[in-house]
Amino acid sequence: EPEVTQTPSHQVTQMGQEVILRCVPISNHLYFYWYRQILGQKVEFLVSFYNNEISEKSEIFDDQFSVERPDGSNFTLKIRSTKLEDSAMYFCASSEDRASTDTQYFGPGTRLTVL
Amino acid sequence: KQEVTQIPAALSVPEGENLVLNCSFTDSAIYNLQWFRQDPGKGLTSLLLIQSSQREQTSGRLNASLDKSSGRSTLYIAASQPGDSATYLCAVIPSTGANSKLTFGKGITLSVRP
Repeated sequence: EPEVTQTPSHQVTQMGQEVILRCVPISNHLYFYWYRQILGQKVEFLVSFYNNEISEKSEIFDDQFSVERPDGSNFTLKIRSTKLEDSAMYFCASSEDRASTDTQYFGPGTRLTVL
Repeated sequence: KQEVTQIPAALSVPEGENLVLNCSFTDSAIYNLQWFRQDPGKGLTSLLLIQSSQREQTSGRLNASLDKSSGRSTLYIAASQPGDSATYLCAVIPSTGANSKLTFGKGITLSVRP
């Protein structure tokens, strides 16, 4: 069964460093998302992406964050200058159709630890 | 602002028991509601999606219901098994805005005792 994959599974970085989290969505899906979950807290929406542009973003998704679909298969989240509070599990998701009608399928997550 | 609440935060039941997990949301303007399962340290597995026009969805031993007007959903698990032990999250898609973001509850951590 097709699934969303994410790399790396765990990333440790120093505060102020740039990180890129990578995702390979399900191949026929057109809508892509990033969420994060700080330990012990709710899963929070960051951004949605469709047709090579951001369709919606949350207040969390400030100028330090960016997303890109560099080729036909990868979807990346970049954090330019990491802060301690960016430590969280980051989940990528994709859906074949709009989220209002279709299930979002989640990847296994990347645990980001900022020291 | 949409808020999703799941109470209690944790539940422990003996194997074989039928159980109901509750989810409530403050804004009834939703397109759909989804239930997910999360195992410790893992990603989210979609269990059921209920469109706002639907009342319930079933998959195997799972049945989810939706009462949009009262802002409530329940996930019914029949004949629970130790393998059902996990955190169960509900999430809604609003019918306002770009309609793309899921708003999650904090989840209910279920433990099924053998």
